[in-house]
Amino acid sequence: DIVLTQSPLSLSVTPEQPASISCKSSEHLLHTDGKTYLYWLLQKPGQPPQLLIHEVSNRFSGVPDRFSGSGSGTDFALQISRVEAEDVGVYYCMQTVGPLTFGGGTRLEIK
Amino acid sequence: VRVIQSGAEMKKPGTSVKISCQVSGYTFTKYYIHWIQQAPGKGLEWVGLVDPENGDTMYADKFQGRAAISADTSVATSFLELRGLKSDDTAVYYCTVELSWWGQGTLVTVSS
Repeated sequence: DIVLTQSPLSLSVTPEQPASISCKSSEHLLHTDGKTYLYWLLQKPGQPPQLLIHEVSNRFSGVPDRFSGSGSGTDFALQISRVEAEDVGVYYCMQTVGPLTFGGGTRLEIK
Repeated sequence: VRVIQSGAEMKKPGTSVKISCQVSGYTFTKYYIHWIQQAPGKGLEWVGLVDPENGDTMYADKFQGRAAISADTSVATSFLELRGLKSDDTAVYYCTVELSWWGQGTLVTVSS
């Protein structure tokens, strides 16, 4: 199965400062249909996960534009342009090119 | 889209559990439904999926042969049955429609 490795494991960010999370895949995530099926999820404390980004860089409905995704091949990133208190939680990358797998998660806290 | 899961379950080792996920707000056969496991304090792990249009299923290797996912179009509901329960099956199980809309989770506790 495809292994997704996230870094850092945790980060502490001052409000209104930027943050970035990396997700590296053990295999290329470009599907034969030309799409790259890499997603980002956020699980806030005590809540189910919620979809932030689909297919590398497309924000899901209602997701603030301070969240953006980038990358290709095996290297991907989630950027938050200005962190807010409500962004606290664990961020997961996920792929569906092969059997669905998740990264290990990155915990974001506010300084 | 609304995703409503059944309530918490407590089971003994070796038994089975069947939990449900009722959806609304869209055509039930349009999107795959996935089931995700999250053990206490751990990350997310894919259990499998069902295509409600034809009932086709796929499972992670870890759950192959022990999990059974189904979809009943008459009630717009998906089911996850897990057999031969072990203590490390204790987890919250999430149902998600097309990985975009998530249920609140169902806690399954396996204990003697």
